[in-house]
Amino acid sequence: EVQLVESGGGLVQPGRSLKLSCAASGFTFSNYYMAWVRQAPKKGLEWVATISTSGSRTYYPDSVKGRFTISRDNAKSSLYLQMNSLKSEDTATYYCARQEGHFDYWGQGVMVTVSS
Amino acid sequence: DIQMTQSPSFLSASVGERVTLSCKASQNINKYLDWYQQKLGEAPKLLIYNTNNLHTGIPSRFSGSGSGTDYTLTISSLQPEDVATYFCLQRNSWPWTFGGGTKLELK
Repeated sequence: EVQLVESGGGLVQPGRSLKLSCAASGFTFSNYYMAWVRQAPKKGLEWVATISTSGSRTYYPDSVKGRFTISRDNAKSSLYLQMNSLKSEDTATYYCARQEGHFDYWGQGVMVTVSS
Repeated sequence: DIQMTQSPSFLSASVGERVTLSCKASQNINKYLDWYQQKLGEAPKLLIYNTNNLHTGIPSRFSGSGSGTDYTLTISSLQPEDVATYFCLQRNSWPWTFGGGTKLELK
């Protein structure tokens, strides 16, 4: 069974940093692209980042480019999202997702609140 | 960026009713269109990918169609467990973009 479990969320002040983690199991992690998708409270979904199987290629929307960094450790079947220079508009639930083109499996999400 | 517009934003329907949800792209997305279901308090779940391919384990009452800029998700016979918000996603070009969602409730 595919399982994705996020961790690392919490309350952080504007301008500070936070690193999210996603532990994967139930599939060969190194064979799949992975992604982060977020959802602001009571809002829609926004794709945040994608990483290739080896980690050599990464993709971001302009809203987070230069501030967020997606990475992975295939030996640990883990995905990460380093978030720097956080803004109030980054407040959201962050989901880790397996990417088979489409997002075929999702974690339960972790909440990040950016507030002073 | 490609804009995705879903309609209606809110839909109330009866059990057993045929339901149609729409998603319109601001430009041709070449059938790279997925549908996701999100129940209250849960993570989104993939229903359909590449316009009309049913994801593993999804009931056959769900189907998708469309081309170019216009896409549709159909539930052939609405069930109580289908109450959720439905989002479309285009993967034709970066940045991938979601629609704003259609909230489906029982009448």
